[in-house]
Amino acid sequence: EVQLVESGGALVQPGGSLRLSCAASGFTVSGNYMSWVRQAPGKGLEWVSLIYGGTNTYYADSVKGRFTISRDISKNTLYLQMNSLRAEDTAVYYCATGRYYGDYWGQGTLVTVSS
Amino acid sequence: EIVLTQSPGTLSLSPGEGATLSCRASQSVSSTYLAWYQQRPGQAPRLLIYGASSRATGIPDRFSGSGSGTDFTLTISRLEPEDFAVYYCQQYGGSPKWTFGQGTKVEIK
Repeated sequence: EVQLVESGGALVQPGGSLRLSCAASGFTVSGNYMSWVRQAPGKGLEWVSLIYGGTNTYYADSVKGRFTISRDISKNTLYLQMNSLRAEDTAVYYCATGRYYGDYWGQGTLVTVSS
Repeated sequence: EIVLTQSPGTLSLSPGEGATLSCRASQSVSSTYLAWYQQRPGQAPRLLIYGASSRATGIPDRFSGSGSGTDFTLTISRLEPEDFAVYYCQQYGGSPKWTFGQGTKVEIK
C-alpha cells in the first residue's frame, strides 16, 4: 500500500527556515516523480516543486531561489528545504507522487509564517 | 501560462441529484494531461479522474469526466452524502508544472 507521511511543519518567523519531510512507503521515491503542493488557509491548491531522476528539479516562480527539493534514497524520503520564509508561504504542504497528476497524496503538514 | 477557470464557484444540490462541474482552459490542453480531484474538509486531495475521462483506482462509476481542447466537465450522476466536497481540475503544463483551477464547492442544499 502506498503511503506518504509529511512532517516538519511549524510556526516560524518571517525570514526563517524550515525543512519538511515526506516519508514514503509502498514504493520508492527514487523511481517516481515527486511533488510538493501547498494550500493556503481557505484557498486552492498551488504546485510548488517537483523532482525526478535525482537531479532534475523544478520550482514555481513564487518559491524559486528560496526553496530546495531533494530526496534521500536510503530513507525513501522526500524533503523541502524552505528558506527566507514569508507570510504568504503559510499553508498546508502536501507531498504527492506522479508526473502528470497526483496519484497519491500525504495528509499534509502546516507551515505558519508569523511573528 | 495556461489558466484554468472552474464554474460555478459553488453548487448547492440535494443528495441524489446530479452535478455538472466545468473547467475551462485559457488555451487548448491535451486531454492526456487533465485531471480532477476531490477534497473533503480537513483531508488531502484525492485523484478522481485522469486523462480527462479515466477513473482512478477505487473511484465509483457515478463519477465521470469528459471534454477536450479548452472545455472539460466532471459529472457526478447521483450525489451521495460523502460527495459534498470541493473539486479541482488540474493540468500538466510541461516545464514540468501542474496548474490547478480555483475549485468548485458542492454543498448540501
